[in-house]
Amino acid sequence: QVQLVESGGGVVQPGRSLRLSCVASGFTFSRYGVHWVRQAPGKGLEWVAAIPYDAIGKYYGDSVKGRFIISRDNPKNTLYLQMNNLRAEDTAVYYCAKSGAYSASSFVDSWGQGTLVTVSS
Amino acid sequence: EIVMTQSPATLSVSPGESATLSCRASESVSSNLAWYQQKPGQVPRLLIYGASSRATGVPARFSGSGSGTEFTLTISSLQSEDFAVYYCHQFGDWPQTFGQGTKVEIK
Repeated sequence: QVQLVESGGGVVQPGRSLRLSCVASGFTFSRYGVHWVRQAPGKGLEWVAAIPYDAIGKYYGDSVKGRFIISRDNPKNTLYLQMNNLRAEDTAVYYCAKSGAYSASSFVDSWGQGTLVTVSS
Repeated sequence: EIVMTQSPATLSVSPGESATLSCRASESVSSNLAWYQQKPGQVPRLLIYGASSRATGVPARFSGSGSGTEFTLTISSLQSEDFAVYYCHQFGDWPQTFGQGTKVEIK
């Protein structure tokens, strides 16, 4: 079955950087788009970024554009999210999520368990 | 960005009754809409994609309808396990966006 395992979360000071990773298994990673979706404590879901199967074209939410970078390493079955210039409002659980199609223009059909990022001084 | 507005914010329903949840898009997203269910402490679960197609394993009491800017998720004969928060998600335009969620609670 599909497994998505995030790592890299933790406590970081405002203005610093953090890189999240997500290792995928149970499906052919190189054939699907993948997303990052976050959820602040007690709040709703917020779409963060997505990348298609071939990494041609990367897409970002307005609140993270210019600060976050999504990338993937297909041979390693791994998705990344480089988060720069972090702000308190970036505090959330970050979910790695599999697209229902090869493109990133698709619904999410599987979710990881999430990794918590806390931005605080 | 396309704003997704869900209503109501909270819906109180008795077990066995039906529930109708609405999701409105600020611009047309065609049928590029999905619904997810999230229970406390759990990750979201895909229920509906393409506005009206049920995901694998989703009970037939869940149904989706609509296109363009107006969408509905109907849960007929609510079961105890259906009390949760429901989110709509548009993937028809960038950036993708979620609605703020509708909480279905026991009346």
